[in-house]
Amino acid sequence: GQNIDQPTEMTATEGAIVQINCTYQTSGFNGLFWYQQHAGEAPTFLSYNVLDGLEEKGRFSSFLSRSKGYSYLLLKELQMKDSASYLCAVMDSNYQLIWGAGTKLIIKP
Amino acid sequence: DAMVIQNPRYQVTQFGKPVTLSCSQTLNHNVMYWYQQKSSQAPKLLFHYYDKDFNNEADTPDNFQSRRPNTSFCFLDIRSPGLGDAAMYLCATSSDFSGGETQYFGPGTRLLVL
Repeated sequence: GQNIDQPTEMTATEGAIVQINCTYQTSGFNGLFWYQQHAGEAPTFLSYNVLDGLEEKGRFSSFLSRSKGYSYLLLKELQMKDSASYLCAVMDSNYQLIWGAGTKLIIKP
Repeated sequence: DAMVIQNPRYQVTQFGKPVTLSCSQTLNHNVMYWYQQKSSQAPKLLFHYYDKDFNNEADTPDNFQSRRPNTSFCFLDIRSPGLGDAAMYLCATSSDFSGGETQYFGPGTRLLVL
């Protein structure tokens, strides 16, 4: 079966750095997405990786290793507004998105 | 601004009373999706349209139906809502159905079944 694993919850301090990991097992691979979802709101697109390596976009970076079935989202200079759930999703061979349950990130002052 | 719009944001219905949720988009995207998301769970794809071609997920209950009368609009009909259907319903669009195409989400409709 297809599976996406990510931690349920993480806590970090304002101004610090946090890394949210995602491991996956899917039927085929057409890229990995990270979305941010604030409570009660829709997911918003953060990043897309299809090749191995690190993609940097401002305070957020995303890394992919296809051979390990592994990705992480790195958030730097954490702000209170970064408190949200972070969803990892993999596009499989049928171009369907397979979603993780999300990691709830709690930022403390 | 181009966007995905869902109405209403909150919907209350009674057990067994049919309800329709609506989604519209100004992105002119070919693909529209309906997801169900329960608290602290991953979004679950119910179905999607590629243009007028309807694709139902194998495990989507028959109680859920969808219509796409034109490119801009898509509807989710729940024929006989049960208590277990209370969830956030998310509409999303993408320009195509291929690798790397980002899905853009509407704000969601939170459905409460009494």
